[in-house]
Amino acid sequence: GNSVTQMEGPVTLSEEAFLTINCTYTATGYPSLFWYVQYPGEGLQLLLKATKADDKGSNKGFEATYRKETTSFHLEKGSVQVSDSAVYFCALSGRGAQKLVFGQGTRLTINP
Amino acid sequence: EAGVAQSPRYKIIEKRQSVAFWCNPISGHATLYWYQQILGQGPKLLIQFQNNGVVDDSQLPKDRFSAERLKGVDSTLKIQPAKLEDSAVYLCASSLDGSGGATDTQYFGPGTRLTVL
Repeated sequence: GNSVTQMEGPVTLSEEAFLTINCTYTATGYPSLFWYVQYPGEGLQLLLKATKADDKGSNKGFEATYRKETTSFHLEKGSVQVSDSAVYFCALSGRGAQKLVFGQGTRLTINP
Repeated sequence: EAGVAQSPRYKIIEKRQSVAFWCNPISGHATLYWYQQILGQGPKLLIQFQNNGVVDDSQLPKDRFSAERLKGVDSTLKIQPAKLEDSAVYLCASSLDGSGGATDTQYFGPGTRLTVL
């Protein structure tokens, strides 16, 4: 079945550092890929998504590129801020099966 | 635009008791999802509705969990009787049509945190 594997956390960085959170997936066909973020005390929010190979999703300075050859969708940001501290979830949905399959989440803490 | 509403936000019960959660999706969204998120894990789908019909309930423990979506709008999720391992956050989400297409995004509510003692 479909599955998502994320880089284990927690991840702690200093403000303005470069961020990468790795995500790889296993799926049949051509899934859509997502990054969701959960800020402290809040619900899950869609951060970005990509629906086909080589698409790049971007939002709030974050980017992720759908790499079919490596089955990856790594999240990157060039300069993180304290306000980026949150839990980040990689997820996929298969074609014709709309449910989201999530990774285990990566907790990110940014220190000033 | 109002988001997905859930209540209660927190619930503490003893094992073997029953509990119910309520969800009101975004207006006009045909598809509604219930997810279970155990501490330290990603959310796992329990049940998906398209209007008032069930699309996927393959991971719903049907001996103790039940859900309904009357009139294709609000939904309730019930656990009876609760077990210790049911302690989790229960998330409700909705999307426009459930097609999984490029514009069919799932929007999540704030969740209900259940503690079973």
